[in-house]
Amino acid sequence: DAKTTQPPSMDCAEGRAANLPCNHSTISGNEYVYWYRQIHSQGPQYIIHGLKNNETNEMASLIITEDRKSSTLILPHATLRDTAVYYCIVRVRGVRGNNDMRFGAGTRLTVKP
Amino acid sequence: EAQVTQNPRYLITVTGKKLTVTCSQNMNHEYMSWYRQDPGLGLRQIYYSMNVEVTDKGDVPEGYKVSRKEKRNFPLILESPSPNQTSLYFCASSPPIRGGGEPYEQYFGPGTRLTVT
Repeated sequence: DAKTTQPPSMDCAEGRAANLPCNHSTISGNEYVYWYRQIHSQGPQYIIHGLKNNETNEMASLIITEDRKSSTLILPHATLRDTAVYYCIVRVRGVRGNNDMRFGAGTRLTVKP
Repeated sequence: EAQVTQNPRYLITVTGKKLTVTCSQNMNHEYMSWYRQDPGLGLRQIYYSMNVEVTDKGDVPEGYKVSRKEKRNFPLILESPSPNQTSLYFCASSPPIRGGGEPYEQYFGPGTRLTVT
């Protein structure tokens, strides 16, 4: 699986959009980008994933660059409850086997009032 | 409600006293796994199971055992706990893989904080 690089921490004002970047410059064509978050030692929570098209769900939007070397997770209206560590993970497609998600250090997002 | 449950949530024990952390999911998932999380090391996979009676080692299996006798349960067993197994443990489950090869997201339990003295 491709390696990802994320900033260690970010701040965001409550009510504003939080844009969390992830670099995955070695991603290959059969790898998906997944985002999870972990709120203060709780179990990681799935947010969204995509292959090459932009994706949106009730929690967030995922923007993947055309060359797929980077992506941005967007929380459109951040609240205090979005304060968490956000993990960007790249997972290979088509391998029936260990569905291990390789969590790196992630980005610690702090939403401030 | 679809969920993964773990018990106990908190446990303090002594070196060498066998313990079991239970994990159960109600989503009929085939795949289940155990992770431990330590400061500075992130989440590391201990064991995983692709289906009933099918288990395999993850990255850090030493000192742990698992069993998968039924689909919903995947207990983690520490036969002789040691202080270096003090950690936060997570169980996770998912369907194996989508048609077309797209990996499924994993659902995580709330965690079990274990302290071994």
